[in-house]
Amino acid sequence: DAGVIQSPRHEVTEMGQEVTLRCKPISGHDYLFWYRQTMMRGLELLIYFNNNVPIDDSGMPEDRFSAKMPNASFSTLKIQPSEPRDSAVYFCASSYSPGLGYTFGSGTRLTVV
Amino acid sequence: GDSVTQMEGPVTLSEEAFLTINCTYTATGYPSLFWYVQYPGEGLQLLLKATKADDKGSNKGFEATYRKETTSFHLEKGSVQVSDSAVYFCALGDTGRRALTFGSGTRLQVQP
Repeated sequence: DAGVIQSPRHEVTEMGQEVTLRCKPISGHDYLFWYRQTMMRGLELLIYFNNNVPIDDSGMPEDRFSAKMPNASFSTLKIQPSEPRDSAVYFCASSYSPGLGYTFGSGTRLTVV
Repeated sequence: GDSVTQMEGPVTLSEEAFLTINCTYTATGYPSLFWYVQYPGEGLQLLLKATKADDKGSNKGFEATYRKETTSFHLEKGSVQVSDSAVYFCALGDTGRRALTFGSGTRLQVQP
């Protein structure tokens, strides 16, 4: 198995532009999580899905952020418009049983200038 | 709500030294506990876990015991190597909420 696959690995964009981050979970994993990591705030849960349905989006910072999971093998996290304070590493993780832990992707490092 | 508290880093050790990274938690019920490791430029990897009180998780020479009476899950290794240099995260899983709650992470630097 190739693990959780995220793209792109790095993204540099200008303030105000739309940014789309992508994630392919491990096949058979019913849960998908999006986290954001910064020096100041550490790891923050943004949203998670179960069977493609958003279950908890209370961590999504504001309306500029949206996430979708159109099918079991693909999810996107979109920021529109992007701001410099959105600069962070965004991780996707998947699991078939969260009580046994997750598998994380390698992350997307986003820089908004 | 649930929370995880880890010791502040960085922790700097010489090769072959003994490692302890403290982790305490606050949770209702009986959570599962985890240690994840993050190497530079990579995502988090599950290092070990324990799902009930008095369980000991172990992997790659690392160990942690789930202590309900002290609400702790300290990470230990008898002899660290330079390759163990990384950031270590303690986390708990609440059965009522599927998402893990992570601590702030502890950076370990091992010098040759």
